Amino acid sequence: ELKVEQNPLFLSMQEGKNYTIYCNYSTTSDRLYWYRQDPGKSLESLFVLLSNGAVKQEGRLMASLDTKARLSTLHITAAVHDLSATYFCAALNYGGSQGNLIFGKGTKLSVKP
Amino acid sequence: DVKVTQSSRYLVKRTGEKVFLECVQDMDHENMFWYRQDPGLGLRLIYFSYDVKMKEKGDIPEGYSVSREKKERFSLILESASTNQTSMYLCASNPGRRNSGNTIYFGEGSWLTVV
Repeated sequence: ELKVEQNPLFLSMQEGKNYTIYCNYSTTSDRLYWYRQDPGKSLESLFVLLSNGAVKQEGRLMASLDTKARLSTLHITAAVHDLSATYFCAALNYGGSQGNLIFGKGTKLSVKP
Repeated sequence: DVKVTQSSRYLVKRTGEKVFLECVQDMDHENMFWYRQDPGLGLRLIYFSYDVKMKEKGDIPEGYSVSREKKERFSLILESASTNQTSMYLCASNPGRRNSGNTIYFGEGSWLTVV
């Protein structure tokens, strides 16, 4: 059974600092997703990582995937207040007929001036 | 632009009522999903559908049923709402078999309160 664990679950950062969110998953999956959610809003797709060693960057966020270690990271560079949100990782589960996503519990990021 | 629409954003229902949550996507996607989101528990899959009239149970199907009579519409049904079903419900879709694993797109969410 595929399980996804994120850490930390809560992260308070100062503006300008760097930090990394970790996402571990328990069984084989070759698709890893990162989403952002603002309070009261739905999930916005950030990255889809499709293969071992994949790295994607958008602005101050960079995501990577190591399928051998079953680990994905979301690195935040020089954080700004606008990045405050909850970030979810999800791994594709092939157990169903068409696959579905198994989500981590989310990391609530708060960036303070 | 990708569009997943949940018609009811905020609902308040009484215990025992039958509740319908409707979701429509306009992208000709084969797969559609219903999740619920609760604080500290993340997103949990209730049901998903990979074709018209086809459905599969997710992790927490108890107390729910679904209907997919047309490709673009996936309905979540609470036969007899209970207070522990107070939650935010998220509908999602993705292209399906030919592009399995591509981005899953979410609707705006439906906040259901059962009193």
